Amino acid sequence: GAVVSQHPSRVICKSGTSVKIECRSLDFQATTMFWYRQFPKKSLMLMATSNEGSKATYEQGVEKDKFLINHASLTLSTLTVTSAHPEDSSFYICSARDDLRIPTDEQYFGPGTRLTVT
Amino acid sequence: KNEVEQSPQNLTAQEGEFITINCSYSVGISALHWLQQHPGGGIVSLFMLSSGKKKHGRLIATINIQEKHSSLHITASHPRDSAVYICAVRGGGADGLTFGKGTHLIIQP
Repeated sequence: GAVVSQHPSRVICKSGTSVKIECRSLDFQATTMFWYRQFPKKSLMLMATSNEGSKATYEQGVEKDKFLINHASLTLSTLTVTSAHPEDSSFYICSARDDLRIPTDEQYFGPGTRLTVT
Repeated sequence: KNEVEQSPQNLTAQEGEFITINCSYSVGISALHWLQQHPGGGIVSLFMLSSGKKKHGRLIATINIQEKHSSLHITASHPRDSAVYICAVRGGGADGLTFGKGTHLIIQP
């Protein structure tokens, strides 16, 4: 089956620093990748959608200058949290979709990254 | 924007019981996903449905497009089924998924 990895799985950083999270599709081409975040005891929320080679589309209320997304290749998307603050502490999950595969609605989830900003 | 409602929010049952988790959504969709999230946070995709019914082992998922409703059933439940089960839909103008709040299931031995 299709596998998506995320790195790191857990990261602690200090306020004001930047953190980069990688999302990789290991055995398929991810034409579209999604970034979600989940606060404790809350549902997942879509942050942004990225297509390989183009700018990400951000959901309303998500600051694009704070959450930089780069989908430079068909197997890698990165999310950089810039100038992190404690309120950015959350669980970040990516998912990937191969739009050339049928059915195209299938999404494969990464294991998530827990970010703690101190 | 789609609104996704799940019920129940919490469910505790005895091992062996038949479990049903419900999901309803407000606007038409292209696909509905059932996901499982364990305490560590990782998400496993259980089913993706656009119509009818799917079965995988002890898990069964059904969807009624006209009624905008889906159910996830677990037969012969086991403590290892304890997890949060999340319904998510694609549609209503969004490319990404819209998630329900999840159902926290505990199966007691």
